Amino acid sequence: EDKVVQSPLSLVVHEGDTVTLNCSYEVTNFRSLLWYKQEKKAPTFLFMLTSSGIEKKSGRLSSILDKKELFSILNITATQTGDSAIYLCASQLGRGNQFYFGTGTSLTVIP
Amino acid sequence: DGGITQSPKYLFRKEGQNVTLSCEQNLNHDAMYWYRQDPGQGLRLIYYSQIVNDFQKGDIAEGYSVSREKKESFPLTVTSAQKNPTAFYLCASSIREPRGYTFGSGTRLTVV
Repeated sequence: EDKVVQSPLSLVVHEGDTVTLNCSYEVTNFRSLLWYKQEKKAPTFLFMLTSSGIEKKSGRLSSILDKKELFSILNITATQTGDSAIYLCASQLGRGNQFYFGTGTSLTVIP
Repeated sequence: DGGITQSPKYLFRKEGQNVTLSCEQNLNHDAMYWYRQDPGQGLRLIYYSQIVNDFQKGDIAEGYSVSREKKESFPLTVTSAQKNPTAFYLCASSIREPRGYTFGSGTRLTVV
């Protein structure tokens, strides 16, 4: 059975802290792994990872994929209150354009 | 500006009534999707369509129906057969070889 597991389910940190969000996956014919940030409404795209060991960065956010161990991490450095959101990880399945989402990690950054 | 429009943003219906959620995109994307989000359960796929006049069931299609008569439109009907329809519904689209989804802003359906 295809599955994507994210941990922790929720996290509360202080501004300035660094956080690491985890995503492990077991899917048939893995193609890619994606990270999304969801605030109040629709998820917004952060990263798409297809190759192992290559870090992708965008400002204070970075992510890396390990295809051998079947996981990905999302790092956020110097967190700000605007980083408070649910972070979703999704794995693209080999059959068609389907993505299998994890349950998300709810991040709360307090001043 | 290109994007996906979902309407309405909030919808209240009585139990036993069918309701249709609208999703329109002007991105010229081939594929469109409907997801449902419940607290603590992430996004679950209801239906998806890769081309016009064709659609496939996702993981939780029971109690839902869709149509894809036009490339731009992928409406979702929540029927009275859906046992727990109260949820947040997200529509998304992608090109054939997606770099990821483009999401709509969602519709929050509450059945009373």
